[in-house]
Amino acid sequence: AQSVTQLGSHVSVSEGALVLLRCNYSSSVPPYLFWYVQYPNQGLQLLLKYTSAATLVKGINGFEAEFKKSETSFHLTKPSAHMSDAAEYFCAVSSMEVVTGGGNKLTFGTGTQLKVEL
Amino acid sequence: NAGVTQTPKFQVLKTGQSMTLQCAQDMNHNSMYWYRQDPGMGLRLIYYSASEGTTDKGEVPNGYNVSRLNKREFSLRLESAAPSQTSVYFCAILQGLGRPRGETQYFGPGTRLLVL
Repeated sequence: AQSVTQLGSHVSVSEGALVLLRCNYSSSVPPYLFWYVQYPNQGLQLLLKYTSAATLVKGINGFEAEFKKSETSFHLTKPSAHMSDAAEYFCAVSSMEVVTGGGNKLTFGTGTQLKVEL
Repeated sequence: NAGVTQTPKFQVLKTGQSMTLQCAQDMNHNSMYWYRQDPGMGLRLIYYSASEGTTDKGEVPNGYNVSRLNKREFSLRLESAAPSQTSVYFCAILQGLGRPRGETQYFGPGTRLLVL
């Protein structure tokens, strides 16, 4: 079975400070990993994904994440936080079970709420 | 959320009532999913559909039924609602063809359900 652990259900940073949201995964096969963002009262939007190409993945809005196999981690970072980054962030891993035509059943972490303060 | 619509946006039910949540896509993708989101638990898969006419259980299927009568629509039905089904429900579609494990799921805006 696949699983994802997000350390810290709430993270608070000052505007302009580094954002670091942690994600560790468990997988018996090479994983595909995703970060999604959810703004209040909205659905989830894809920030970035790792699909076994480059280990450093760049996403939208200045976010990036680095896949570290030795640490089983896929932490999300942004050099300088902006007020508009306040949202909930979810890390997800794709299921090792590939269903014909159905693929990519995601297992989500429990989410990290990011607060950005002036 | 472009390409995935969900209705209704908000619903209040009494225990024991039934209702159907609707999801429709205009992107001609085969795979569709239903999740529920609860505080502190992330998103959990209820049911998914690999193609028209096929459905499979996810992690938390009890108390729900689904229907995929055509490629465009995937509905989720609560036959006898319970307070434990108070949640936000999201429909998602799978973009693209090819290696399925690396493809992206795109989410609808959600349906907020309150069961009293």
